[in-house]
Amino acid sequence: EVQLVESGGGLVQSGGSLRLSCAASGFTFRSHWMSWVRQAPGKGLEWLANINQDGSAVHYVDSVKGRITVSRDNAKNSLHLQLSSLRAEDTAVYYCVKDLLACGDYWGQGTLVTVST
Amino acid sequence: ETVLTQSPATLSLSPGERATLSCRASQSVPRYFAWYQQKPGQAPRLLIYDSSNRATGIPARFSGSGSGTDFTLTISSLEPEDFAVYYCQQGSNWPRTFGQGTKVEIK
Repeated sequence: EVQLVESGGGLVQSGGSLRLSCAASGFTFRSHWMSWVRQAPGKGLEWLANINQDGSAVHYVDSVKGRITVSRDNAKNSLHLQLSSLRAEDTAVYYCVKDLLACGDYWGQGTLVTVST
Repeated sequence: ETVLTQSPATLSLSPGERATLSCRASQSVPRYFAWYQQKPGQAPRLLIYDSSNRATGIPARFSGSGSGTDFTLTISSLEPEDFAVYYCQQGSNWPRTFGQGTKVEIK
């Protein structure tokens, strides 16, 4: 069974930074692109980034470019997201997503990040 | 950026009725078009990928169609568990983008 479990969310100060992690199991992690998607409270979905199988190619959405770093550790089946210079609009549930043909076939339960101003 | 516009914003239907949800793209999406279902407090669930392929475990009452800039999700006969928010998503052009969602509510 595919499982994606995010961790690292919580309350963070405006201007600070966060590091989220995703523990993957139930599939061959090193063989798949992975992504991060977020959803602000009561709002729609925003695809933030994706990373290829060996981490050599990463794409970021313009709205967070320059503040975001996505990486992976295939030895530990884990995906990471670092986001800096946090703003109120970064408050959201952050999802770890397994890619299938440029969409997300499996999603974690999400981790809530709240940026306090 | 490819903007996806979903219509209608809300669809009020009764169980057993047919639901037709639309998504229009601001530019052509040659492939990699998907639909998701999201219920309150849950992560999105993939329903349809590559425009018309049902994801693993998705019932046959869900079907996707369309190409280019116009795509449709059809639920042939609504079950009680189908009342939720539905999102379209394109993966042909970076950044990947979602529509704003269509809420299917009980009439």
